[in-house]
Amino acid sequence: EPEVTQTPSHQVTQMGQEVILRCVPISNHLYFYWYRQILGQKVEFLVSFYNNEISEKSEIFDDQFSVERPDGSNFTLKIRSTKLEDSAMYFCASKFREGQGIHEQYFGPGTRLTVT
Amino acid sequence: GNSVTQMEGPVTLSEEAFLTINCTYTATGYPSLFWYVQYPGEGLQLLLKATKADDKGSNKGFEATYRKETTSFHLEKGSVQVSDSAVYFCALTGGFKTIFGAGTRLFVKA
Repeated sequence: EPEVTQTPSHQVTQMGQEVILRCVPISNHLYFYWYRQILGQKVEFLVSFYNNEISEKSEIFDDQFSVERPDGSNFTLKIRSTKLEDSAMYFCASKFREGQGIHEQYFGPGTRLTVT
Repeated sequence: GNSVTQMEGPVTLSEEAFLTINCTYTATGYPSLFWYVQYPGEGLQLLLKATKADDKGSNKGFEATYRKETTSFHLEKGSVQVSDSAVYFCALTGGFKTIFGAGTRLFVKA
């Protein structure tokens, strides 16, 4: 069964460094998402992406964050200058179609980001 | 805006006990409702879903019914196993994003 993959599984970085989290969505999916989960807390929406542009973003997704689909398969999340509070599990998700009740999002296994 | 509220955990049960995890939602329109499960150290797995009122989602012995009149989507299982120990998230999708509840941790003792 097709699945969403994410690399790396764990990233450790120093405060102020740039990180890029990578995702390979399911191949025929058109809508892409990033979520994060701070340890022990709820899963929070960051951004959705369709047709090579951001379709919606949360207040968490500030100027330090950016997303890109550099080729036909990868979907990346960049954090330009990491802060301690960016430490979290980051989940990528993809979906075939938009619209209520048509298709659910498929989640990747997550990348655990630790900022020291 | 849309929101999801689920019962706080942790919930601790003995094997073969009956499980209920309550979930209520606030949404405009007609969202789709989901339960996701997160096993220790792993990502999110879709457990079940319901896309319209009175739909019942079911999987692996878990069930939840989309109740529009009470805006609820409670998760139930008749007989839990130790392997069901995990965190369970109720979620809704309306528009582009999925909104998650805070999660309920379930411990099942042998």
